[in-house]
Amino acid sequence: GAGVSQSPRYKVTKRGQDVALRCDPISGHVSLYWYRQALGQGPEFLTYFNYEAQQDKSGLPNDRFSAERPEGSISTLTIQRTEQRDSAMYRCASSLAGVSYEQYFGPGTRLTVT
Amino acid sequence: AQKVTQAQTEISVVEKEDVTLDCVYETRDTTYYLFWYKQPPSGELVFLIRRNSFDEQNEISGRYSWNFQKSTSSFNFTITASQVVDSAVYFCALSERDYGQNFVFGPGTRLSVLP
Repeated sequence: GAGVSQSPRYKVTKRGQDVALRCDPISGHVSLYWYRQALGQGPEFLTYFNYEAQQDKSGLPNDRFSAERPEGSISTLTIQRTEQRDSAMYRCASSLAGVSYEQYFGPGTRLTVT
Repeated sequence: AQKVTQAQTEISVVEKEDVTLDCVYETRDTTYYLFWYKQPPSGELVFLIRRNSFDEQNEISGRYSWNFQKSTSSFNFTITASQVVDSAVYFCALSERDYGQNFVFGPGTRLSVLP
């Protein structure tokens, strides 16, 4: 089937605006992860879900960041009142079930806050 | 806390040379999982291999091989007879079963294979 998809692929927003990034995981995958990747660095964990339950949100930088996966499939990462330091590549990944399985990554959303 | 170190920031080799990318990890869990991912210039992250902590058998897949040694907490990746298409950033990652639920990625090693 299709891989992980993310939309939009590119987002330019002005400081102070809210943005919503969408992730559509591989069909049948229980676990869904959000990462942020700065240029030249490895992905940084933000949060993850099993089905619709958010298992760990310890990586979310502050309370402007939130994520949901209401029906256990598509997930949305929302950043409120964006700041320039939020500019990064945001990546979503899914896995069959839990941390023991490999994750398959989407193409990412490149967020630029001006 | 879990941690992954990739001491080699950048490596350059000439095509057909063998190259080994080092990965050293720290964990307090007895059950954990190790992964390698490739990120070519196009930007996507491509899964290469998964290893669990109870399986120390080395693995070979074509020109790729992985050496897992619990005694030294290392999970090194060797490319034999490197090709230009192997040029990419390679990330090692760790997840724990009991003490942590999330993936930790190393900083990556940028491999350049020159023709």
